[in-house]
Amino acid sequence: SQQGEEDPQALSIQEGENATMNCSYKTSINNLQWYRQNSGRGLVHLILIRSNEREKHSGRLRVTLDTSKKSSSLLITASRAADTASYFCATSLIYNQGGKLIFGQGTELSVKP
Amino acid sequence: SQTIHQWPATLVQPVGSPLSLECTVEGTSNPNLYWYRQAAGRGLQLLFYSVGIGQISSEVPQNLSASRPQDRQFILSSKKLLLSDSGFYLCAWGWGPYEQYFGPGTRLTVT
Repeated sequence: SQQGEEDPQALSIQEGENATMNCSYKTSINNLQWYRQNSGRGLVHLILIRSNEREKHSGRLRVTLDTSKKSSSLLITASRAADTASYFCATSLIYNQGGKLIFGQGTELSVKP
Repeated sequence: SQTIHQWPATLVQPVGSPLSLECTVEGTSNPNLYWYRQAAGRGLQLLFYSVGIGQISSEVPQNLSASRPQDRQFILSSKKLLLSDSGFYLCAWGWGPYEQYFGPGTRLTVT
């Protein structure tokens, strides 16, 4: 089974609303990262949160991490049409060889103008 | 600044034909390099990673192979493509267990 499971699989909101995406994982982690992918493009790193951190902000992004529940959430505030993309969480496991990341299946976000 | 290139951008190949996808990184030294495959509407599957020249680790047994002939060059190959090899192939680089930086990807269609 997947290390990272994301919820919801798809999310449609109006411009200006907030978007929340969730990620759950199974194995203890070193850090958890969020990436964004526009259709047909490569992934872009958004934010990294370490296992000893609980919350992190970057612009309109807010990430939380609850290691007791093995879950994370990504909040995008005041969404814009340009935020339309797929968002993936990725976990870096403890005792990681080669810096490998394990990606979730992603949440497809659609922001309607 | 660092940049990562992949080519070709799109490729249509018949079943049974060979494959060679190339990835190069500029502006960094001794990066970890990664090949991922993404099926339509799905997450990324790690295929291979490399921590140095000539060092390749395979994550998924299949008819693909990878090589790293130079520090900043990573090649994905196949001797005979299968229909199931179709997908979006992404190369990425990183240092340690931290963020990875992705190339633009290659869309491969096996017919």
